[in-house]
Amino acid sequence: GAVVSQHPSWVICKSGTSVKIECRSLDFQATTMFWYRQFPKQSLMLMATSNEGSKATYEQGVEKDKFLINHASLTLSTLTVTSAHPEDSSFYICSARPPGFAPLHFGNGTRLTVT
Amino acid sequence: DQQVKQNSPSLSVQEGRISILNCDYTNSMFDYFLWYKKYPAEGPTFLISISSIKDKNEDGRFTVFLNKSAKHLSLHIVPSQPGDSAVYFCAASLRGNQGGKLIFGQGTELSVKP
Repeated sequence: GAVVSQHPSWVICKSGTSVKIECRSLDFQATTMFWYRQFPKQSLMLMATSNEGSKATYEQGVEKDKFLINHASLTLSTLTVTSAHPEDSSFYICSARPPGFAPLHFGNGTRLTVT
Repeated sequence: DQQVKQNSPSLSVQEGRISILNCDYTNSMFDYFLWYKKYPAEGPTFLISISSIKDKNEDGRFTVFLNKSAKHLSLHIVPSQPGDSAVYFCAASLRGNQGGKLIFGQGTELSVKP
């Protein structure tokens, strides 16, 4: 079945530094990928839609300069959390939709802790 | 504004019995609904979906029912097994998004006791 791989699975960084998270579609090409965030005991919230070869589309309230998204190839999207602060600590999950009328598949997520 | 709501944060069921997880939505433009299962520190795993043109979809032990007039869907798991213990999210997609962008409910934590 379709697999979405996310790396790293967890990361701890100091406040003010930047962190990059990678999302890969392993056995299909994805022109569009989606980045979600989940705070503890809460729902998954869509942050942005990553479009291959063009700018990402951000949801209302998500700072595009803070959460940089790059979708340079049909199998890779990256999310960079710039100048991270403790309030950015969260579980970040990427997703992609295989070709055909297939459901959205999710990566295993990245637990970010900013100290 | 929570467009997809799961009003029960938790549900406990005995092994072998039926688990019924409920979900309500407010936006009549949703036309595709999905259920995902999630373990802690992992991404959601797709379980089952239903299009708004149907009122029922079944896959093994899992059945999803959709009541469009009530804007309500439910997931039935029969028989429930301890391995089903997880957080279940319902999600909806707007017409035209074809299941790309999903709006999630808050999740229901299911505990199946042996």
